[in-house]
Amino acid sequence: GNSVTQMEGPVTLSEEAFLTINCTYTATGYPSLFWYVQYPGEGLQLLLKATKADDKGSNKGFEATYRKETTSFHLEKGSVQVSDSAVYFCALSELAGNTPLVFGKGTRLSVIA
Amino acid sequence: NAGVTQTPKFQVLKTGQSMTLQCAQDMNHEYMSWYRQDPGMGLRLIHYSVGAGITDQGEVPNGYNVSRSTTEDFPLRLLSAAPSQTSVYFCASSSTGAYGYTFGSGTRLTVV
Repeated sequence: GNSVTQMEGPVTLSEEAFLTINCTYTATGYPSLFWYVQYPGEGLQLLLKATKADDKGSNKGFEATYRKETTSFHLEKGSVQVSDSAVYFCALSELAGNTPLVFGKGTRLSVIA
Repeated sequence: NAGVTQTPKFQVLKTGQSMTLQCAQDMNHEYMSWYRQDPGMGLRLIHYSVGAGITDQGEVPNGYNVSRSTTEDFPLRLLSAAPSQTSVYFCASSSTGAYGYTFGSGTRLTVV
């Protein structure tokens, strides 16, 4: 079956530090890949997505590249801000077929000033 | 445009009680899902639907029922609440599944 593995948290960084959150996946077909963000007390928001190999998703300074050869979709940001403190979820959905999102367990990021 | 609306936002139940968590979307999305979020467990799929009249079980369906009589609504029923069902519940919808889901703001349920 499909699964997503992401790095365990929590991750604590100083403001303006570089962020990487690792995500790898297992899928039987050709999945779309997503990063969702959950701010404290809120629901999940789509941060970025990629639907095929070598696609780069980007939003709000965050980037992730769909690497089929390494089955990875690592999230990066060059300079984090305190407002980036949240829980980040990697997820996948099959491009073909009627499959809902499958999530990783989430990584909590805390950015300190 | 309301998006995905979940009600109630908070609920406390006694063990054995039943209730329905409501989810409605106004985007004409075919795909809808229910997840529960527990500390350290991420989001786990309870039930999902690919259109009106079609539902299927997810990873953790026991103790929950769903129905999809309209495109807009996808209620989740707890048949006999148990403390293990204390969690935050999220409903999500999508037009295609493969291009991302829109999430509701969640229902925080406590079973005592």
